[in-house]
Order: sequence, then C-alpha cells, then structure tokens
Amino acid sequence: EPEVTQTPSHQVTQMGQEVILRCVPISNHLYFYWYRQILGQKVEFLVSFYNNEISEKSEIFDDQFSVERPDGSNFTLKIRSTKLEDSAMYFCASTEGLYEQFFGPGTRLTVL
Amino acid sequence: GENVEQHPSTLSVQEGDSAVIKCTYSDSASNYFPWYKQELGKGPQLIIDIRSNVGEKKDQRIAVTLNKTAKHFSLHITETQPEDSAVYFCAPLRGGSEKLVFGKGTKLTVNP
Repeated sequence: EPEVTQTPSHQVTQMGQEVILRCVPISNHLYFYWYRQILGQKVEFLVSFYNNEISEKSEIFDDQFSVERPDGSNFTLKIRSTKLEDSAMYFCASTEGLYEQFFGPGTRLTVL
Repeated sequence: GENVEQHPSTLSVQEGDSAVIKCTYSDSASNYFPWYKQELGKGPQLIIDIRSNVGEKKDQRIAVTLNKTAKHFSLHITETQPEDSAVYFCAPLRGGSEKLVFGKGTKLTVNP
C-alpha cells in the first residue's frame, strides 16, 4: 500500500539555524500539507499546497516558513531561522482530491 | 475559528467491550468528518470518515455516526482489542477549506 514518507525521522538543530524537512507524498496525489504537533498537544495545520502554490496557510505559517515541490516527487518545508518554540513533530500529508488526507510518520524537530 | 471538542479525554475499557468517543464541532459549514488513530511515535492514521450527506458508516468493528443538527459525530469501536489502544483524533473539515481541525485527542486503553 502506498505511503507518505518523511526524512529525517529526527532533526536536532541550534536556534537560528535553517532546517529543511523532506516528504515524499503518495505518487498520484495532488494536494500536499504540513501539520505540526507540539509534544502532548493536538495536531495543527500549517499549510496546504496545490498546483505549485500555497492554497491555504495558518497564522503559524509566517515568513520564517516556506514550502517547495522541487521535483516531481519531493515536498519540503523550510524553516529559515529556527526558534525554541519550533520544536515539534512535523507531519506531511497528501490527498488525491481534498478529502482523505494520509499522513507520514513525521519528523521530530528539536531546537536547542 | 472552528472549535473542536472531544470527550472523553481518556477512556479505559476491558478487551471485548465497546468504546465510544464523541466529537463536537462549532462550524456549521463542516462537511467532512474523519477519525484518525495515532500510535506512539507514529503519524495519524485515517481509520474512518463520513461525508455530510450520510448519517452512519461502518467498517468491520468501527463505525462513525453523524448528527449535523447537533454538530457532533462519534466513533464507535466494538469488540475492542489491545491493539486498539492509541490516541484517537477527530478532525472535521470545513467546506471549501483544506484544513483539518484536530480535536485534542482521546487516549484509549484496552486492557487484556
């Protein structure tokens, strides 16, 4: 069964550094998402991406965040200058057509 | 914004018993109602969903019921097994949006 994959599984970085989280969505899916989950809290929407542009974003997704689909298979989330409060699990998700979002296993980001 | 409440926050049952988790939402424009299961260290896994034109959907031991008038939907698990132990999230979607709005989760423990 096709799955969303994410790399790395765990990323440790220093405050102020840039990080790039990578995702490979399910191959025939057209809509891509990033969510995050701070430890012990609920999952929060960050951004949705369709047809090579952002279609919706939350207030969390400020100028420090960007997304890109650099080729036909990868979908990335970049945080330009990490803060302590960016420490969380970041989940990528994809869907063929707006419903049934399938999530990857997540990347645990730790900002020191 | 959308307010999503789940009850109970924790639920402990004996193997073989039934479990019911309720999700209440505030946005009357919500039209898609999924339930996700999250095991420790993993991403949310879609287990069942329902659209607003349907009142109930069943898939083997799990079912979802929707009451649009009262703005709540429930997850029903029958004949629970220890492997059903996980955190369950509801995440309604507003029509025209791509943003799943997650509840705070219900930790289900099935005791052998």
